[in-house]
Amino acid sequence: QKEVEQNSGPLSVPEGAIASLNCTYSDRGSQSFFWYRQYSGKSPELIMFIYSNGDKEDGRFTAQLNKASQYVSLLIRDSQPSDSATYLCAVIRDKIIFGKGTRLHILP
Amino acid sequence: DGGITQSPKYLFRKEGQNVTLSCEQNLNHDAMYWYRQDPGQGLRLIYYSQIVNDFQKGDIAEGYSVSREKKESFPLTVTSAQKNPTAFYLCASSAERDRSLDTQYFGPGTRLTVL
Repeated sequence: QKEVEQNSGPLSVPEGAIASLNCTYSDRGSQSFFWYRQYSGKSPELIMFIYSNGDKEDGRFTAQLNKASQYVSLLIRDSQPSDSATYLCAVIRDKIIFGKGTRLHILP
Repeated sequence: DGGITQSPKYLFRKEGQNVTLSCEQNLNHDAMYWYRQDPGQGLRLIYYSQIVNDFQKGDIAEGYSVSREKKESFPLTVTSAQKNPTAFYLCASSAERDRSLDTQYFGPGTRLTVL
């Protein structure tokens, strides 16, 4: 079983719509959860982190964590073409483990 | 400006050569990390260091070596023993020594190509 799993995509979303990115993880003891955005040829940049069950909002971004179901999601409201990138989910227990990422394409 | 710098941005290596990738940070972070990323793949940990003069192997350390003589610097050497070194190499740092808490920040990366 993969430790951190993401749909590779591409996920195509019309401009202005909500993009929903999902990530599941296998270790129930995981404590910290991160979303990174990576543009093609660039390094990952941190978007959000979440530690507790529930929602965490930052501007157009909302991270949602459900530890019982072992998933974490990222919602992007009012999607913009500049949101087109690969989104990496990362999970920490004793060490950080990255998913392979979901490619998001915002359609103008 | 505070941040993480990596050099060079692009590096070409002939087979049989050792090359060293530079990583410097002025964030006063304790922990530093080296990752490798291959196309369509996630990040794989090569080495990490939580304190000066100490470092630990990650998941794919074979063919690589590191040093941590200064808090700010964590160079990675790709040796000739690494059979498939062409990849995008990312250095990261985090403030926390406790890896269960750390938020990692990445440098811009070095793209290594073997000729």
